[in-house]
Amino acid sequence: DTAVSQTPKYLVTQMGNDKSIKCEQNLGHDTMYWYKQDSKKFLKIMFSYNNKELIINETVPNRFSPKSPDKAHLNLHINSLELGDSAVYFCASSPTGGALSEKLFFGSGTQLSVL
Amino acid sequence: AQKITQTQPGMFVQEKEAVTLDCTYDTSDQSYGLFWYKQPSSGEMIFLIYQGSYDEQNATEGRYSLNFQKARKSANLVISASQLGDSAMYFCAMREGLTGGGNKLTFGTGTQLKVEL
Repeated sequence: DTAVSQTPKYLVTQMGNDKSIKCEQNLGHDTMYWYKQDSKKFLKIMFSYNNKELIINETVPNRFSPKSPDKAHLNLHINSLELGDSAVYFCASSPTGGALSEKLFFGSGTQLSVL
Repeated sequence: AQKITQTQPGMFVQEKEAVTLDCTYDTSDQSYGLFWYKQPSSGEMIFLIYQGSYDEQNATEGRYSLNFQKARKSANLVISASQLGDSAMYFCAMREGLTGGGNKLTFGTGTQLKVEL
């Protein structure tokens, strides 16, 4: 059983389109995250949700809108896709989000290519 | 300012040798956590090892150990007896508290390790 699963694994789309990436975790964790990994492999946090409540919202264009219907799911919707949005997007979860010792459990990533 | 600095973009090591991957960090907090993750070419992020800022002993997990020098703000990863399967990108990360509550895990830029025969 995959602990953190995200779909799709690959997403190729045209500039200007709207797309969504879905994430689900079956670990019973309270906190979920979206990270973006750029072409230089740099990983940067975008959003964090704790029990469906947004707790971290980094400087991300408002074309990116996360949605958490329940604590096991955190989806990422992107409007009006731009070339610079091409990256690998990772979903992750952690038990509470409150302890400094908590490791993140990552999904396998979604490779987004905007043409 | 960079929170996490990994100065070695690429490293080579011979199979069965030990290798040290450098990581320095910047924080004014007394409480923080330090992590290392491995990302093989297949892309998944694999947790390797954790060190808490108050831990007096250096963390070890099998062939991985963390050389924690708090005064120098360094948290170097040591891999002993390197194997071909250790070839991957390695990320150092720090979790620290945020003003107003909560905390955040911030990553360094990574070191690409290649293990050679």
